[in-house]
Amino acid sequence: EPEVTQTPSHQVTQMGQEVILRCVPISNHLYFYWYRQILGQKVEFLVSFYNNEISEKSEIFDDQFSVERPDGSNFTLKIRSTKLEDSAMYFCASGRDRNTEAFFGQGTRLTVV
Amino acid sequence: GESVGLHLPTLSVQEGDNSIINCAYSNSASDYFIWYKQESGKGPQFIIDIRSNMDKRQGQRVTVLLNKTVKHLSLQIAATQPGDSAVYFCAERKDGGSQGNLIFGKGTKLSVKP
Repeated sequence: EPEVTQTPSHQVTQMGQEVILRCVPISNHLYFYWYRQILGQKVEFLVSFYNNEISEKSEIFDDQFSVERPDGSNFTLKIRSTKLEDSAMYFCASGRDRNTEAFFGQGTRLTVV
Repeated sequence: GESVGLHLPTLSVQEGDNSIINCAYSNSASDYFIWYKQESGKGPQFIIDIRSNMDKRQGQRVTVLLNKTVKHLSLQIAATQPGDSAVYFCAERKDGGSQGNLIFGKGTKLSVKP
């Protein structure tokens, strides 16, 4: 069964450093998403991406964040200058189109020290 | 503002019993709702969804009920199994958003006793 894959599973970074989280969406999907889940809290939508541009973003997704589809298979989330409060699980998801459900990856645990 | 919340943070059931997980939402204009299951250390896994033009939808061992009058959503799991132990999230689609632009509830932890 096709699945969304994310790498790395765990990333530790120093405060102020840039970090890139990577995702390979399901191959025939056109909509891509990033979410975060701070420990013990709700899953929060960050951004959706379609046709090589941001389609929707939440208020969490500020100038510190960017997304990119650098090639035909990868979808990345970059955090420019990490803060302690960026520590969370980051989930990538993809959907076949705008009106079908999103399928999630296993997540990347980001720890900022 | 918009919010999706849960009545109970934890639910413990006996193996073989039916489970009912509840969810309240505040935006009466919401048109799409979804339930996800999250096992420890894994990403949310799609269980079932329902659109606002329906009251009930059934899947394999799961049923979602939508009561728009009281803005209430529930997930029923029949013959609960140990493998059903997980945190269950309800979510609603943000107004006018794509199907992945979701507002999640806090989650209910389901524990199944053998």
